[in-house]
Amino acid sequence: AQSVTQLDSQVPVFEEAPVELRCNYSSSVSVYLFWYVQYPNQGLQLLLKYLSGSTLVKGINGFEAEFNKSQTSFHLRKPSVHISDTAEYFCAVSGYYTGTASKLTFGTGTRLQVTL
Amino acid sequence: SQTIHQWPATLVQPVGSPLSLECTVEGTSNPNLYWYRQAAGRGLQLLFYSVGIGQISSEVPQNLSASRPQDRQFILSSKKLLLSDSGFYLCAWGTGSNQPQHFGDGTRLSIL
Repeated sequence: AQSVTQLDSQVPVFEEAPVELRCNYSSSVSVYLFWYVQYPNQGLQLLLKYLSGSTLVKGINGFEAEFNKSQTSFHLRKPSVHISDTAEYFCAVSGYYTGTASKLTFGTGTRLQVTL
Repeated sequence: SQTIHQWPATLVQPVGSPLSLECTVEGTSNPNLYWYRQAAGRGLQLLFYSVGIGQISSEVPQNLSASRPQDRQFILSSKKLLLSDSGFYLCAWGTGSNQPQHFGDGTRLSIL
């Protein structure tokens, strides 16, 4: 079984400032990691994913995340945020199972509020 | 390209009434299909998933059921809605554990 912890429920930040949204996970098997963004009253949109290889993953909208196996973390970063980045961000983990449907375990989300 | 459709976008139902939410996927075959519920201020809870026609796995005991009558159609139902069934319901599709899931736009369900 897996679990995901997003310690920050809300992160306020000024426009053009850098931001880091934290995500820690626990799992007894190898994992795949994902970040999703949700705008109000919409579904979830994939920002980026870590499957294997380079631990620094680049995604859409200028976001990137770094997989740290020793710290079981997958923090999301952006060097300069825009007002349009205001949204809810979810970290998710999928365990490596063969022959079965993937089941994502989500964190409780972090609300990123960007202000002028 | 693949697309996923959910309807209706919003729904207001009285307690005790039945429910049917529909989700369809286009542009892919034999997808894994998922129903999630998102309560206010909380993450997503997986309700059901399906790996094929007629194959439904339930993740949590509840007042809801799911069915997959066709390869790319996934339906969430209830015979009698409870107040606690209110929430934002999301359908998603995927192809395996090393691939992301792709979500529909959701249905906002309010129970009065």
